[in-house]
Amino acid sequence: DTEVTQTPKHLVMGMTNKKSLKCEQHMGHRAMYWYKQKAKKPPELMFVYSYEKLSINESVPSRFSPECPNSSLLNLHLHALQPEDSALYLCASSQRLRDRDTGELFFGEGSRLTVL
Amino acid sequence: GEDVEQSLFLSVREGDSSVINCTYTDSSSTYLYWYKQEPGAGLQLLTYIFSNMDMKQDQRLTVLLNKKDKHLSLRIADTQTGDSAIYFCAEPAIINTGTASKLTFGTGTRLQVTL
Repeated sequence: DTEVTQTPKHLVMGMTNKKSLKCEQHMGHRAMYWYKQKAKKPPELMFVYSYEKLSINESVPSRFSPECPNSSLLNLHLHALQPEDSALYLCASSQRLRDRDTGELFFGEGSRLTVL
Repeated sequence: GEDVEQSLFLSVREGDSSVINCTYTDSSSTYLYWYKQEPGAGLQLLTYIFSNMDMKQDQRLTVLLNKKDKHLSLRIADTQTGDSAIYFCAEPAIINTGTASKLTFGTGTRLQVTL
């Protein structure tokens, strides 16, 4: 199983709503990521978890709150978002055990978020 | 910081070769990657090259690396309509935990394949 599964595929929410994006992988990877991708742009890193601990937060506003409940799951909790937060949110996982491992990222299909 | 640069758009006829170019920034990257993104989908790793290699061939794909000029290219032979997508080069920076990589993506090249 080399899949990263994201739910929901599409989400429409108002600026006062609270919602969550979910990501799951069963490859035994211990690094998981959230990326944000706006239309016609490359993905931009938001958060990195390594061994269930937050390693990197790329100065993301607090209205985005990540959570890694266990080594297979990664959530992104959303609250009080703005219309400019509308984007494709991509989850990824990777594993790099030795220096010569490629450590490539495996991406999910993404959750397309629209904030009204 | 500096951007990882790619040309925005490339149009080729079916059956021709496509060459997508990338200028990266970090000469210490151990690997460099090429990812493909089809419309409305996530990113799929196409191929990668180890930094001590000049060339890597993988079926229809050929990757060339010029470390002196920090230039990476992806050649797709016999391009098919199914190759129409956005192609991103990416360079990793290993995060201090050792197990994770911070990927910086290129600006992306949209490949259009015409009949």
